[in-house]
Amino acid sequence: DAGVTQSPTHLIKTRGQQVTLRCSPKSGHDTVSWYQQALGQGPQFIFQYYEEEERQRGNFPDRFSGHQFPNYSSELNVNALLLGDSALYLCASSLDGGNQPQHFGDGTRLSIL
Amino acid sequence: GEDVEQSLFLSVREGDSSVINCTYTDSSSTYLYWYKQEPGAGLQLLTYIFSNMDMKQDQRLTVLLNKKDKHLSLRIADTQTGDSAIYFCAEEPNTGFQKLVFGTGTRLLVSP
Repeated sequence: DAGVTQSPTHLIKTRGQQVTLRCSPKSGHDTVSWYQQALGQGPQFIFQYYEEEERQRGNFPDRFSGHQFPNYSSELNVNALLLGDSALYLCASSLDGGNQPQHFGDGTRLSIL
Repeated sequence: GEDVEQSLFLSVREGDSSVINCTYTDSSSTYLYWYKQEPGAGLQLLTYIFSNMDMKQDQRLTVLLNKKDKHLSLRIADTQTGDSAIYFCAEEPNTGFQKLVFGTGTRLLVSP
């Protein structure tokens, strides 16, 4: 039973570029959340997708957008990259509803030069 | 508001017990979680507790919750060198969604 998988594992971009990160949820899960973890910090909630729609969003600008596909996989897109976007981006999946813990992937390490 | 605080660092000797503490602010939080992060890896779910419980035990792990003081702790019995990692406490505010609010993490160092 595969857990949450993310790709790519590492990525290097330059300021102003755009990036797409991908996530496949754990088998049986229908909800995907994205988090940003800056160096030395705890993860910060970006947004959550359920039934192919964004249903909750954290304090992140519109440069951060996402998508969920019918097979529950998800993408995170970041436009106009800034140096401060350098971080580990974590995807978590869960089943919708209460008492459903989130399971995390190993993340994508994004470095902006 | 939503805020979670943890001490930054804890050092113990192998075989001792470790206690990692956490305070949170949102009294509406329904679930509280402990995650473990090893270098270069994502977050591993260790355990979680529902807000109407005050204790949960799972093998070497014991979670204590003091809802009145909004204080959560994780005790690891017989700590091993493989337990060295960063431990994150997270609250799930009662928003109807599964958003998690994390602390900054406690780095646990276990020496032989």
